[in-house]
Amino acid sequence: RKEVEQDPGPFNVPEGATVAFNCTYSNSASQSFFWYRQDCRKEPKLLMSVYSSGNEDGRFTAQLNRASQYISLLIRDSKLSDSATYLCVVRKDTGRRALTFGSGTRLQVQP
Amino acid sequence: DAGITQSPRYKITETGRQVTLMCHQTWSHSYMFWYRQDLGHGLRLIYYSAAADITDKGEVPDGYVVSRSKTENFPLTLESATRSQTSVYFCTSLGIDEQYFGPGTRLTVT
Repeated sequence: RKEVEQDPGPFNVPEGATVAFNCTYSNSASQSFFWYRQDCRKEPKLLMSVYSSGNEDGRFTAQLNRASQYISLLIRDSKLSDSATYLCVVRKDTGRRALTFGSGTRLQVQP
Repeated sequence: DAGITQSPRYKITETGRQVTLMCHQTWSHSYMFWYRQDLGHGLRLIYYSAAADITDKGEVPDGYVVSRSKTENFPLTLESATRSQTSVYFCTSLGIDEQYFGPGTRLTVT
């Protein structure tokens, strides 16, 4: 079983749609949580950190449920430029402090 | 310019050859990491370093060697390249709370 599981998609949605991605993680010792965006196998870029209280950045809302070990990302009013692969990422903040990545969910926003 | 750079950006090599991928960061971050990205696997940790002269294995270290004689450099060497090492390699460094990625090296082993 992978440590971070995501639905690979692809999610094909029209412009303006709301789309939600989910992710589960298996290591309960994980302490930090992130969503990264990756375009065409370029380097991943941090989209947002995820907190238990939930957090929002413009059209993007992220939620963390530590009890269920579940992370979500909601994108409202999708734009063509949102088309990318979204990576769910967790990290232990002790020890190696490396990131553990999900395989990514591909989003294609269509005109 | 501050940042993290990788070289070469693209490399084609033959099976059995030794190849070194370079990584350089300008911030003096203590932690540095090498990941490889393959279809269906996402990014996987090869090696990491907590400081100069301190390195340790990640999930998929076989066939790779690293060194860290200076804080700013973290080269990754494939001792005898195999086709299974065809991949995109990312070097990162850890800032206060964010990992910074290099642009990646696309390696093809023929």
